Amino acid sequence: EAGVAQSPRYKIIEKRQSVAFWCNPISGHATLYWYQQILGQGPKLLIQFQNNGVVDDSQLPKDRFSAERLKGVDSTLKIQPAKLEDSAVYLCASSLSRAETQYFGPGTRLLVL
Amino acid sequence: EDQVTQSPEALRLQEGESSSLNCSYTVSGLRGLFWYRQDPGKGPEFLFTLYSAGEEKEKERLKATLTKKESFLHITAPKPEDSATYLCAVANYGGSQGNLIFGKGTKLSVKP
Repeated sequence: EAGVAQSPRYKIIEKRQSVAFWCNPISGHATLYWYQQILGQGPKLLIQFQNNGVVDDSQLPKDRFSAERLKGVDSTLKIQPAKLEDSAVYLCASSLSRAETQYFGPGTRLLVL
Repeated sequence: EDQVTQSPEALRLQEGESSSLNCSYTVSGLRGLFWYRQDPGKGPEFLFTLYSAGEEKEKERLKATLTKKESFLHITAPKPEDSATYLCAVANYGGSQGNLIFGKGTKLSVKP
């Protein structure tokens, strides 16, 4: 069974530029999550989708971050404009449903200069 | 506020030297406690889920246990390939359910 796919794996941008990350969850998984992991920290949830609806985006900095999950499968996370403190690994995870085990993708490593 | 604290931050062992990692938590209604392994440059890999105090789960050289306030990950006779960061996370019954609250992790190094 294929795991969670993410792209790109690495991205370097200048501050104030925009960037987008893509995630394809495990087939059949209804719930999709985006996490931010800063070096030396555990992952922190940014947003949770159930199918194509947002369940929780309380920790998403909405002035610069946006996410969508059209058709309830793939998802895109965007940052516009990026700040230096956005340098982190962005992890996508999926689960069969909201209360089930989450499986993570390899992450996208973002460096903002 | 729900919180997870892991100790120690880093642990260096010799091959074959058994030890334990600690995860203490405060949560308003524990739905589950999760252990993940994370290798450098990779996403977290699921290891165990524990749901109630007294529960234990094993996988190869790893054994996870749960009490009402903490969980332990016991590593028996570790090998160099067990070197990784081990993350603990909790989920509660409130709010959005599925959200995981992670600790900062314990970085384990096993020397041959």
